[in-house]
Amino acid sequence: EVQLLESGGGLVQPGGSLRLSCAASGFTLSNFPMTWVRQAPGRGLEWVSSISGRGRTTFYADSVKGRFTISRDTSKNTLSLQMNSLRAEDTAVYYCAKSDSFYDHWGQGALVTVSS
Amino acid sequence: DIQMIQSPASLSASVGDRVTITCRASQGIRNSLAWYQQQTGKAPKLLLYEASRLESGVPSRFSGSGSGTDYILTISSLQPEDFATYYCHQYSRTPYTFGQGTRLEIK
Repeated sequence: EVQLLESGGGLVQPGGSLRLSCAASGFTLSNFPMTWVRQAPGRGLEWVSSISGRGRTTFYADSVKGRFTISRDTSKNTLSLQMNSLRAEDTAVYYCAKSDSFYDHWGQGALVTVSS
Repeated sequence: DIQMIQSPASLSASVGDRVTITCRASQGIRNSLAWYQQQTGKAPKLLLYEASRLESGVPSRFSGSGSGTDYILTISSLQPEDFATYYCHQYSRTPYTFGQGTRLEIK
C-alpha cells in the first residue's frame, strides 16, 4: 500500500527557514516524479514544486522560486522541501503527492505557520 | 498560466440528486484534467484523470466528460459521503493549476 507521511511543519517567524520531509512507503520514490502542493487556510490548492523521476530536473512556482528547494534522499525513500526566507503568505498545509501530472496519492499534510 | 474557472462555487443538493460541476480552462488542455474530492480537514483524493478515466476504487456514480476547454464532473446519485469540496486540475502545461473549488453541501 502506498503511503506518504509528511513531517517538519510548525511555527516560524517571517524570514525564517523550515524543512519539510515526506516519507514514502509501498513504492520506490526514485522511480516516480514527486510534487509538493499547498493549501492556505480556507483557500484552494496551489502547486508548489515538482521533481522529475530521476531527480535531475526540478520545477517551482514563481511564488517560491529562489526560496524553496525540492530534493530527495533515495537511501531513505524520502522527499524534502527546504523553505527559506519564509513569508506570511507561505502559511499553509503542505502536501506531498506522488507523480507530477495528476496526483494519485497524497500525504496527510503538514501545517506551516509563518508569523511573528 | 492556464486559468481554471469552476462553477458553481457552492452547491446545495439532497441525497439521491444528480449534480454537475463544470470547469473551464483559459486555453485548450487536451483532456489533461483531473478531478479531486476533499473532505474537511483531509487530503484531496483523486477521482478521475484524463478527463473521464475513473481512478481505481472510486464509485461509478462519478463520471467525467468534456474536451478542449470545457469539462464536467457528474455525480449521478449523491450519497451522504459525497458532500465535500471538489477541485479540477489541469496538467497540460506548467505551471499546473487548480480550479478554485466547488463546495457541495447538504440541502
